[in-house]
Amino acid sequence: DADVTQTPRNRITKTGKRIMLECSQTKGHDRMYWYRQDPGLGLRLIYYSFDVKDINKGEISDGYSVSRQAQAKFSLSLESAIPNQTALYFCATSDLGWNTGELFFGEGSRLTVL
Amino acid sequence: AQSVTQPDIHITVSEGASLELRCNYSYGATPYLFWYVQSPGQGLQLLLKYFSGDTLVQGIKGFEAEFKRSQSSFNLRKPSVHWSDAAEYFCAVGEHAGNMLTFGGGTRLMVKP
Repeated sequence: DADVTQTPRNRITKTGKRIMLECSQTKGHDRMYWYRQDPGLGLRLIYYSFDVKDINKGEISDGYSVSRQAQAKFSLSLESAIPNQTALYFCATSDLGWNTGELFFGEGSRLTVL
Repeated sequence: AQSVTQPDIHITVSEGASLELRCNYSYGATPYLFWYVQSPGQGLQLLLKYFSGDTLVQGIKGFEAEFKRSQSSFNLRKPSVHWSDAAEYFCAVGEHAGNMLTFGGGTRLMVKP
């Protein structure tokens, strides 16, 4: 089983619908992240959480919200999806140690908003 | 604010040829630099990282990268490319005090037989 699991892997929805993307990890890491990938733009940080009680906005948080339900679970919600939120979304984790720098990624959730 | 530029969106090389992928960064302090690879349908995997010390760093899968402060560059190299290296490659710069990474736009590598 993958260390970082994202569900669903693919989702097609309509404008205005509420969508939740879920992420769970078995690595035991405290830090979790949600990134969005768009062609030519690389990955951009949406939200991050350094522990269960800590939630921080990233570069592009507008239109998104998150919930850290447990150390192992970090969900991303789109309250009212719009077409320009069509993208590939990645969850990632990292160890507490700042000097490792390595992120461990899930396989991605492809979201299409019609 | 930190930023990363990967000037080449697509690169095609022949199998067995050498490879260099360019990365330029902008960061006020000493950067923490990374290269990640994304194979089709997969998440990103760390190839190598530079924090300090020797400016030539070795990574997995036969890749290496050289940090050149004077050029604000961290180019990725491989002496002989294999067909399995076809993927998208991302350069990233990290904040000094944490695990916040800023990614470049990526370079898609295609390998000709």
